[in-house]
Amino acid sequence: IAGITQAPTSQILAAGRRMTLRCTQDMRHNAMYWYRQDLGLGLRLIHYSNTAGTTGKGEVPDGYSVSRANTDDFPLTLASAVPSQTSVYFCASREQGSGANVLTFGAGSRLTVL
Amino acid sequence: GQNIDQPTEMTATEGAIVQINCTYQTSGFNGLFWYQQHAGEAPTFLSYNVLDGLEEKGRFSSFLSRSKGYSYLLLKELQMKDSASYLCAAGDSNYQLIWGAGTKLIIKP
Repeated sequence: IAGITQAPTSQILAAGRRMTLRCTQDMRHNAMYWYRQDLGLGLRLIHYSNTAGTTGKGEVPDGYSVSRANTDDFPLTLASAVPSQTSVYFCASREQGSGANVLTFGAGSRLTVL
Repeated sequence: GQNIDQPTEMTATEGAIVQINCTYQTSGFNGLFWYQQHAGEAPTFLSYNVLDGLEEKGRFSSFLSRSKGYSYLLLKELQMKDSASYLCAAGDSNYQLIWGAGTKLIIKP
């Protein structure tokens, strides 16, 4: 089934620990995104990648890093987790050049930092 | 700055019609999007407007006025499964989406 797979679905980790959220898509979309969603706030862009080998910073990039070694994978790393990074994280992709800019989202990863 | 405003919560009755409003301010404009998000799930695409006017898709319609920075999503013949959050998002000059906080729609029997 074509789409985006995120892992883990849910994770609790201690502050200061390193954590990588995985995201894989099989639609051959060029552009990929990481968002966080917090209660009362809109989706906020953390990092994005317009094509394999390139990445860019979004609205809230501090404390996060990404890589895009190939088209399919776009992992998000928290180098040293802090409680304010407790959130639901969504990975998304779209076909570059599509005028409608329609995003396909993964199911999300719920992260709790204690 | 860039901003999207939409009501936090709305309540409607099964079988009725509801209109969810959204106002936006962006640097440049590349379309207005509506997504549906059921609790605990990912957002899914509903509609896209880039020109002024009404776009109809089954029970759902979306309207855009670029001069007013305004859009609405109209849901007809409401069903219980329409209980969800509805997210308004505007594309800016860099084709990045600016998101509203979402409107939680509660449908009562």
